[in-house]
Amino acid sequence: NAGVTQTPKFQVLKTGQSMTLQCAQDMNHEYMSWYRQDPGMGLRLIHYSVGAGITDQGEVPNGYNVSRSTTEDFPLRLLSAAPSQTSVYFCASSYGPGNEQFFGPGTRLTVL
Amino acid sequence: GESVGLHLPTLSVQEGDNSIINCAYSNSASDYFIWYKQESGKGPQFIIDIRSNMDKRQGQRVTVLLNKTVKHLSLQIAATQPGDSAVYFCAVLVTGNQFYFGTGTSLTVIP
Repeated sequence: NAGVTQTPKFQVLKTGQSMTLQCAQDMNHEYMSWYRQDPGMGLRLIHYSVGAGITDQGEVPNGYNVSRSTTEDFPLRLLSAAPSQTSVYFCASSYGPGNEQFFGPGTRLTVL
Repeated sequence: GESVGLHLPTLSVQEGDNSIINCAYSNSASDYFIWYKQESGKGPQFIIDIRSNMDKRQGQRVTVLLNKTVKHLSLQIAATQPGDSAVYFCAVLVTGNQFYFGTGTSLTVIP
């Protein structure tokens, strides 16, 4: 099992550009989520999904979109990148929200 | 919502000593708690969890204590080793679908 994979590992964008951060898991987990990690702050939940076709907003959803067309994939879209979105992004998955979450290696995003 | 904080941003211990990392949370409805370890440049790694119907849980060299009365969680690492050097943070499940994370304690083990 590869676990949770994320691509790309690093990305630099210009303000206003759009991009998609990819996340995939091969553990047949129903629950997937996206977090951002900023210096001096804990991980903050952006969006999450409790199963294919179902998504919901977390604590900091503005500027991000998600979709969940398959159990395996949960991409995060930045519609119009802003410098405030410079962060490290982590994807996580678990059997359910009340279970151990497995995290991917992260994507380090810089918006200029 | 939820507020989760750790008591110390940094902690240094001698190799072989025990380490204690603390976490406080605000929502009394919180019912599931996880401790994570994060090494530089990597994603968080699960260490141990505990549900609100327990007050103590032990793993290999780690123990989590939960005090629901004062809304406090601690992680104890026995015989701390250099490989334990990392950032540790707690995560608290509140609504059933959302975790809130503490800011992390950076543990340095001095050989």
